[in-house]
Amino acid sequence: GAVVSQHPSWVICKSGTSVKIECRSLDFQATTMFWYRQFPKQSLMLMATSNEGSKATYEQGVEKDKFLINHASLTLSTLTVTSAHPEDSSFYICSARLSGNYNQPQHFGDGTRLSIL
Amino acid sequence: AQRVTQPEKLLSVFKGAPVELKCNYSYSGSPELFWYVQYSRQRLQLLLRHISRESIKGFTADLNKGETSFHLKKPFAQEEDSAMYYCALGGNNAGNMLTFGGGTRLMVKP
Repeated sequence: GAVVSQHPSWVICKSGTSVKIECRSLDFQATTMFWYRQFPKQSLMLMATSNEGSKATYEQGVEKDKFLINHASLTLSTLTVTSAHPEDSSFYICSARLSGNYNQPQHFGDGTRLSIL
Repeated sequence: AQRVTQPEKLLSVFKGAPVELKCNYSYSGSPELFWYVQYSRQRLQLLLRHISRESIKGFTADLNKGETSFHLKKPFAQEEDSAMYYCALGGNNAGNMLTFGGGTRLMVKP
């Protein structure tokens, strides 16, 4: 149980393109989902906390207008990288936590590799 | 502010040797510590958490609040333990967000 699906797994696109990444909790409801970014050989850095039905909470230094987050349902959060540029190339990982219990651990998706040419 | 430090980027041991992956944290509230593991080409998986006080795949970790540490230990390493290990700190915040350490790559040689 507690499977998180991320789609797509790999995206290659031209500079200036907007890219949407989906994060789904397949067998549980997730009030809160998290979006991370991981550069090569580095650790995960939290970008934002996505709350169902409300605005996302962004970490310091993360541009809200650049990384649009939508969490319209208890099983889906999306991250849209708007007008992506080569410096946005990275590995983006989402995680989800079961609703209603802050003691539940986060379950991670497989990640999305974004390559901007 | 939350901070997690894993001082070793790479730890290489022989099969059967004891393993200790170090993790130190900084947090003003009541900490909740986790160890996540990422095997080659797989997603990040929860290995264990301090409140469970359990042993998973032979690994244990004890939260030492005095030393602000949560080191991961295994008495006899196996080749299949080779992976990236991340220590993560959560807290009693409403968002329950995690702060990750830099990760330690464990290589177990035959």
